[in-house]
Amino acid sequence: QVQLMQSGAEVKKPGASVRVSCKASGHSFTSNHMHWVRQAPGQGLEWMGIINPSGGSTSYAQRFRGRLTMTRDTSTDTVYMYLSSLRSEDTGAYYCASSIGWYSNFEYWGQGTLVTVSS
Amino acid sequence: QSVLTQPPSASETPGHRVIISCSGSSSNIGGNTVNWYQQFPGTAPKLLIYRSNQRPSGVPDRFSGSKSGTSASLAISGLQSEDEAHYYCATWDDNLNGWVFGGGTKLTVL
Repeated sequence: QVQLMQSGAEVKKPGASVRVSCKASGHSFTSNHMHWVRQAPGQGLEWMGIINPSGGSTSYAQRFRGRLTMTRDTSTDTVYMYLSSLRSEDTGAYYCASSIGWYSNFEYWGQGTLVTVSS
Repeated sequence: QSVLTQPPSASETPGHRVIISCSGSSSNIGGNTVNWYQQFPGTAPKLLIYRSNQRPSGVPDRFSGSKSGTSASLAISGLQSEDEAHYYCATWDDNLNGWVFGGGTKLTVL
């Protein structure tokens, strides 16, 4: 059974950075791409970017370029999402989601990590 | 402002059928398949329909999807109270070179 287990909630001050992890189990880590999707309170879903755990290649949504970095650790089947220069608008739930390919549906989702940015 | 346009809300009575629309353009829905996700408050989204009209294992056949041109739709027949949730469409956008979502539709079962 595929499971994506995310790290716990974070509270950060404006200007700080946050790292959220997503540990995969139950499927081949390097055969499934990983996306990050965020959701502001009471709002819809927003795609942030994708990482191919096999080679580490990434692609980020335009609005996050320069602030967002995705990495992976194949020894622990974990992907990481780093978001820097945090502002209050970055408050929300961050989800990792896996897909078979770059253009495939998001088949499995993590439970979400709440990131709160507040002074 | 979402790239894909969905009605913010929809409602229908139990047992009836509701259709949720998702409108896009030639760079997204027009050239790619559409996925639909169901989300209950406080929980992660769940894949409901993929490749415009395919149901993952375990999704009841009351849920169906279709696509025509630059629009897609999700139909739910035999509505049940437990179908009350938010529904999101999503697809790849060739111009933006990324995935895009609709703004979501909150379904109320009256």
